[in-house]
Parts: sequence; C-alpha cells; structure tokens
Amino acid sequence: QVQLEESGPGLVKPSETLSLTCTVSGGSVSSGHYFWNWLRQPAGKGLEWIGYIYYSGDTNYNPSLKSRVTISADTSKNQFSLKLSSVTAADTAIYYCARSIEGKLTTQYWGQGTLVTVSS
Amino acid sequence: AIQVTQSPSSLSASIGDRVTVTCRASQDIGNDLGWYQQKPGKAPKLLIYAASRLQIGVPSRFSGSRSGTDFTLTISSLQPEDFATYYCQQDYNYVLTFGGGTKVEIK
Repeated sequence: QVQLEESGPGLVKPSETLSLTCTVSGGSVSSGHYFWNWLRQPAGKGLEWIGYIYYSGDTNYNPSLKSRVTISADTSKNQFSLKLSSVTAADTAIYYCARSIEGKLTTQYWGQGTLVTVSS
Repeated sequence: AIQVTQSPSSLSASIGDRVTVTCRASQDIGNDLGWYQQKPGKAPKLLIYAASRLQIGVPSRFSGSRSGTDFTLTISSLQPEDFATYYCQQDYNYVLTFGGGTKVEIK
C-alpha cells in the first residue's frame, strides 16, 4: 500500500517561499498512470487543490494559485515537492500530498498533512 | 471553472437513519465525481469514485448516484463511526474542485 509523508518548515514568513516535500513509499512517482497532488485546508475550512505532477513529469495547477506554484519531482529520492511563493497569512493551512487512482485524478491515498503557518 | 455546490452544510441525524448529501456541478462532468469522509485531525478518506463506485474496504451502507449534474451520497443506516464531515470532489478535465462540505452530527 502506498504511503505518503509531508515534510518541511512549519513556519514561513510573509512574502517568502513555502517549500514542502512529499516522500512516497510503496509506489514510484515515475511509474504507473498516477497523478501526484498537493492540496490544502485552512483550519476549520474546506479543501483546496493546489496542483499535480503526473508520472510523466507534466504538471497542472489551480488557476487561482498558478502564478505562485511550482510542483516538481525527484525520482531518485521518490519524492515530489511544492513551492509556493510570496506567501501571506491566507496561505496558512494544513498541506496534504496525495496520489490519485490509476488513470484518474481522483485522490485515493493521502499523507497525514502538515501545518504551515505564515507569520512574522 | 467548474463549481460544485454541496448541500446541506450540516445535518443532525440519529443512529440507523438514512442520510443523503447532494452535490450539483455547474456543468456536465460525466461521472467524474468522488465522495470523501473526513474526521477531525485526519486526512480525507475516499469512499466513492466515478460517481457510484465503492472504494475497496468501504462499508456497503455507503452508495453514490448521479442524475445529470446532480450527485448524491447516501448512507443507508447511519452508524456511530459515520459522524464526520463529507466532501464531494469533481475531477473533470484534469482540475479538482471540492464542495463546501457537509458536517453530519448526532441528533
């Protein structure tokens, strides 16, 4: 069974870049027709999709965040990463990484989530 | 962008009740909708995908259906472990959007 684990700083200053990594076990980020996603959830609020990287390396982002987001993969470490630039307090949230069902974008396996707070 | 409107935002129900949650898509998305259960402090758990396909390991009291752009999650007989927040997620055209969530509480 696939397992995902998010890691990265829990505190980021306003205007700086948020960087998170998702480490994958039990599966490969570079094989199978899977989408590897980042999502987030502000405290007490709903879920927001940030974007994905496909096993082939293709990416797609939420239009509302596209200008600030980069998702990349390191196949040698079986990880994929999120960079979100120019953060503000509105970016404070629990960030999740997730893998899709094969051939569909529907997210199937999720990490446990990591809280990122934007504050000076 | 495709919007998904979920209703109700909350409901109170008793053990054994039949519970339904609805999502309406702003355009035709075919069967590209899933349902998730989220408990406090936990990641969402996939229950239903492709509108009506039960994820492996999910109890059969959960079911999903579609009528046009309207999608329904039904819990046939509510159990204590089902008190949670439920979200729909559409994945049409390689973009994900979520409904606002439905919190199912104990009456």
